[in-house]
Amino acid sequence: DTEVTQTPKHLVMGMTNKKSLKCEQHMGHRAMYWYKQKAKKPPELMFVYSYEKLSINESVPSRFSPECPNSSLLNLHLHALQPEDSALYLCASSHPTDRVYYGYTFGSGTRLTVV
Amino acid sequence: GQQVMQIPQYQHVQEGEDFTTYCNSSTTLSNIQWYKQRPGGHPVFLIQLVKSGEVKKQKRLTFQFGEAKKNSSLHITATQTTDVGTYFCAGGYTGGFKTIFGAGTRLFVKA
Repeated sequence: DTEVTQTPKHLVMGMTNKKSLKCEQHMGHRAMYWYKQKAKKPPELMFVYSYEKLSINESVPSRFSPECPNSSLLNLHLHALQPEDSALYLCASSHPTDRVYYGYTFGSGTRLTVV
Repeated sequence: GQQVMQIPQYQHVQEGEDFTTYCNSSTTLSNIQWYKQRPGGHPVFLIQLVKSGEVKKQKRLTFQFGEAKKNSSLHITATQTTDVGTYFCAGGYTGGFKTIFGAGTRLFVKA
């Protein structure tokens, strides 16, 4: 299995809602990532988990809360989002090593609209 | 801070013409990766370059990593309509998990 599966594919939520994005991989990758991508922009790193521990938080607002329950799963909990948070949220995974990087396998993303 | 600059921002070509996109880092990279994102899709990993001066080929695509490990290029020979999309370089730096994406080059191919 060489895929990263993200659910849901589309999500519309109100500013007072609480929702979660889910990501799953079975490639044995021990690094998992959340990226945010706005239209016509590059992916922007939000969080990095390495061996199920949060290793990078790119100063993301607390209304985004990541969780890594095990080595295959990554969640992003959303609460009290703003319309400007509307974007494509991408999950990715890779082999973690601090010496040689490997390419990321991206999921197909969740297209989030905040109304 | 670490930055990866990518040019051009977009390029229109006639089918059959060649295409090149360039990336430049402000500091030395440990590696560079290249991704392709089709319209409406997600980034797909193409290749990773690690060694100084490295050149790799994938059919019509040629990837180069500069001698100083600060720049890289992707060259497509004889473009096809299936090459349409945005090509991103992403620079990896020693000592962390952070990979910095370039702004991307949008390729338009006219049949």
